[in-house]
Parts: sequence; structure tokens; C-alpha cells
Amino acid sequence: EIVLTQSPATLSLSPGERATLSCRASQSVSSYLAWYQQKPGQAPRLLIYEASNRATGIPARFSGSGSGTDFTLTISSLESEDFAVYYCQHRSNWPWTFGQGTKVEI
Amino acid sequence: QVQLQESGPGLVKPSETLSLTCTVSGFSISANYYWGWIRQPPGKGLEWIGTVYYSGGTYYNPSLKSRVSISVDTSKNQFSLRLSSVTAADTAVYYCARAPFSPRVLDYWGQGTLVTVSS
Repeated sequence: EIVLTQSPATLSLSPGERATLSCRASQSVSSYLAWYQQKPGQAPRLLIYEASNRATGIPARFSGSGSGTDFTLTISSLESEDFAVYYCQHRSNWPWTFGQGTKVEI
Repeated sequence: QVQLQESGPGLVKPSETLSLTCTVSGFSISANYYWGWIRQPPGKGLEWIGTVYYSGGTYYNPSLKSRVSISVDTSKNQFSLRLSSVTAADTAVYYCARAPFSPRVLDYWGQGTLVTVSS
């Protein structure tokens, strides 16, 4: 099973600042990595797939990069609605696994 | 538009079987897609439970494999989860979700349903 480790656990920033979230895989997942955003009381929402492709309707301030074992989600300029928990997830092989999440807070 | 809706008992007794159904609307479950279950214990992260391919092939989390079963009912446009011998550790919000054959990502999710295991 591939373990995904996200860092930091919590990111304290202000609106307008840049957020950089990291996800590291215990072995290569090629580019088969996705990022999800989850707000309290809501289901996760797909942001990025295949490491760097924005899902439908996702604003351009969200970008993803990386391949192999190291991946980054960048939010170029935080808006109030971006404060949430972010999860990475791989689909390189079975079982799929999620990272433990990074909370982006004000 | 595509919608997924979980349904089932909100309270299950320890040692019994948890059964949930996900009803899909606005989309045929017989299309070339995967259908999955994910859970989230209160205040914790996401855990992938398992996935079924539209034609019936299944993939399960090894940590749950001995207790879990996922199936598809194309006549009702639904898929289901059964988790046996539950304990308090199975208390969680359970989500159903869809994943295209390619890219295989969870692009549509249900709103989730809380299942509590307690006597």
C-alpha cells in the first residue's frame, strides 16, 4: 500500500497570500495524483487530477505540480472561500489511498 | 446533472452488518465508470473503502477486505455497500462517489451519511 504524507498539517495564512501544500508518496505514483478540497459539513470536491490538471470549474488560482513521489498544490492568492482542508489521493494501483490532509486556516 | 445520494440506517449495533445504498441520478450506472465508497470518522481524514466497476469487478481496501462487499444493481441505477461485524471504529460519514474509467478520479460525490455504531 502506498502511503501519502501531507505537510504541513496546518497552514495559517491571510487572504491574498500564497499557499503551498505538499504531498509525498512512499513510492512512485507517476502522475496519478489528485487533490480534493473539503469544507466543514461538505463532501470533498475534486480540484486537480493527474497531478496538474484542473477539474471542471476550478479557478486558475489553483495549480498542481510534481510527479513520481513529490507533489505540490499551490493556491496563488487565497480567497476567503479557500480556507478548508485539502487531501491528496493516488490511483496508481489498488488500494487507492488518501493523505491525512492539510488544513488551511486564517 | 449527475447526483449521488446515500441512504441507509443511521444507527447500527455492534457485530451487525452496515448496509448502505447509493442512488445515482442524471447518469447511467452502466456507463464505463467506477463507483466507490469512502468514509470519514468524525474529525478525521478520508479512507477509501472500495470500488466496483460497472460490469461488476471489485477492489477493496485490504484493511476491510474480509468484511466488505460492494455491488451494482443496474436495474435500479444503484450500488451498495455491506460492511459486516461492525464496531465503534466503523462510526463515520460514508460517502459514495463516481470515477470515470479515465482519468480514474472521484469527480462526483454524494453528500454523505453518518452511520453510528452503538448498542
